[in-house]
Amino acid sequence: QVQLQESGPGLVKPSQTLSLTCSVSGGSIISGGHYWSWIRQHPGKGLEWIGFIYYSGSTYYNPSLKSRVTISVDTSKNQFSLKLSSATAADTAVYYCARALYAYGYLGLWGQGTLVTVSS
Amino acid sequence: DIQMTQSPSTLSASVGDRVTITCRASQSISSWLAWYQQKPGKAPKLLIYKASSLESGVPSRFSGSGSGTEFTLIISSLQPDDSATYYCQQYNSFWTFGQGTKVEIK
Repeated sequence: QVQLQESGPGLVKPSQTLSLTCSVSGGSIISGGHYWSWIRQHPGKGLEWIGFIYYSGSTYYNPSLKSRVTISVDTSKNQFSLKLSSATAADTAVYYCARALYAYGYLGLWGQGTLVTVSS
Repeated sequence: DIQMTQSPSTLSASVGDRVTITCRASQSISSWLAWYQQKPGKAPKLLIYKASSLESGVPSRFSGSGSGTEFTLIISSLQPDDSATYYCQQYNSFWTFGQGTKVEIK
């Protein structure tokens, strides 16, 4: 079955770019039919949608983060990635990658999540 | 932006109780609403989509209802394994989550 796994640095310095990758196994990212998404959760808080990408490269971002977010897809590696520029302590969170059904937005498959701390 | 407001923030109930969680949208989202269960240290798990459709493998004691701006998640007979935080999510216009409802077992 399809699985998602986040990877990337667990510690990022303030003002630097937070970069994470989600590897998709057990299925192809270009098979179509899904939005590949990033969600984050601040410590002890609720869930915040960051954005998603379709395999064709079309992207949709949370307006509150849009100026700092880039989501891209690497079909050759069956991965998609998140870049969040100008990181601050407020970006410290558990970051999840997740999959939603195309044309819908419910997230039926999640990665295990990875904690990213922004600190000097 | 569509805001999602859940109530209550926390509830405590006994095994076997019927539990109701409410989610209100700041504007109509038709039936484009999902419910998730999250346990500590784990990723959220999809329970309900399109307001009332039960995800495959989810116990039938979970049910959802509503449309427009008011939605409900019901656990018909609370089980010990249901201790978790529950989130609603709208996907009518971009995506927004509610702030969560923590369900504790008495």
